[in-house]
Amino acid sequence: AQSVTQPDIHITVSEGASLELRCNYSYGATPYLFWYVQSPGQGLQLLLKYFSGDTLVQGIKGFEAEFKRSQSSFNLRKPSVHWSDAAEYFCAVVGTMEYGNKLVFGAGTILRVKS
Amino acid sequence: DGGITQSPKYLFRKEGQNVTLSCEQNLNHDAMYWYRQDPGQGLRLIYYSQIVNDFQKGDIAEGYSVSREKKESFPLTVTSAQKNPTAFYLCASGRTSNYGYTFGSGTRLTVV
Repeated sequence: AQSVTQPDIHITVSEGASLELRCNYSYGATPYLFWYVQSPGQGLQLLLKYFSGDTLVQGIKGFEAEFKRSQSSFNLRKPSVHWSDAAEYFCAVVGTMEYGNKLVFGAGTILRVKS
Repeated sequence: DGGITQSPKYLFRKEGQNVTLSCEQNLNHDAMYWYRQDPGQGLRLIYYSQIVNDFQKGDIAEGYSVSREKKESFPLTVTSAQKNPTAFYLCASGRTSNYGYTFGSGTRLTVV
């Protein structure tokens, strides 16, 4: 079955430092991949998505992600983190037909930003 | 503006009472989803519906019920059979999964 792994439960970075959140997926075909962000007590907001084509995808709020098929990864990056980026981040992949083509979510990574 | 609305934002109920959470979307999306979120447990799928008058159980459907009488609406009832209903509930909708989902802002249910 398809799965999404976010190896880091918590990450703390200093304001202004660069950020990379890791995401690994298991899926045989070309995946449809997403990153969402959730602020405390709020719903999830789509940051960016990858369907095909250029493997470096630009999203909102200055985020980008790179699809690496050889590593089954879709890591999220930001060159300079702002305090307002503190939130929980979820990686997701569209599942197989056997799973009804629903999104499969990772467990999330909580980002803390220190000043 | 199109979007997905969950109401109320906070809900308090006594143990043993059924409670219904509202989810409405005006995005013309065919599919709608209900998730439960507990600290440290990510998103767990309760029920989903890909077309009006049809819905399927997700991973944790026990103690919950849904209906899908209109394309725009997908209410979730938390019944007294749900042993631990206190949680944050998220509703989502999507055209197809390949485009991702749009999420509501959530309902925090507290049962006392």
